[in-house]
Amino acid sequence: GDQVKQSPSALSLQEGTNSALRCNFSIATTTVQWFLQNPRGSLMNLFYLVPGTKENGRLKSTFNSKESYSTLHIRDAQLEDSGTYFCAALMPNYNVLYFGSGTKLTVEP
Amino acid sequence: EAAVTQSPRNKVAVTGGKVTLSCNQTNNHNNMYWYRQDTGHGLRLIHYSYGAGSTEKGDIPDGYKASRPSQENFSLILELATPSQTSVYFCASGDRNNQAPLFGEGTRLSVL
Repeated sequence: GDQVKQSPSALSLQEGTNSALRCNFSIATTTVQWFLQNPRGSLMNLFYLVPGTKENGRLKSTFNSKESYSTLHIRDAQLEDSGTYFCAALMPNYNVLYFGSGTKLTVEP
Repeated sequence: EAAVTQSPRNKVAVTGGKVTLSCNQTNNHNNMYWYRQDTGHGLRLIHYSYGAGSTEKGDIPDGYKASRPSQENFSLILELATPSQTSVYFCASGDRNNQAPLFGEGTRLSVL
């Protein structure tokens, strides 16, 4: 459904540049997760967030529950960052994750 | 090592045939999930389970059944496969708070 909306749907970056991906939520959620699906199709956990900010290397994510959005910042993009990024919101009463439609990121030399 | 294993990894089925996708987890997680992924839709929830004997409908359950005979195993069953069910299917397992769920490698299903 439209519970989780991601933008942009596709993004092309030059190596070494920075960018941000965004998710907006229309469901009440207390936790957000970000995943990266690599070109082989495997899904990798990047962040699990309650309201606040987490950082891991060149990636930083923020979840603002009051305004119902989350962002994923990529700093100094590298070729290996290419793939599709998904955010997902946890529906608390049912303990299930609802996914956005993804942002396909291509990092070019 | 924690793992979610799906089988088969690839499957070609005929329209009207029965297809069973299997998922096994060694994480002792209570929750298990089946999603399908299609271009432009991200991952959509088909069925999920809170434990052995439990199955719940997700967003798109029509045409699918699920079975959770044990803590470790969760199957997705297509009794009468249709071409619209051609997709990539992911199984996942998670703890009660669904923190960092683990995903299988996916099953690519083609229904001809």
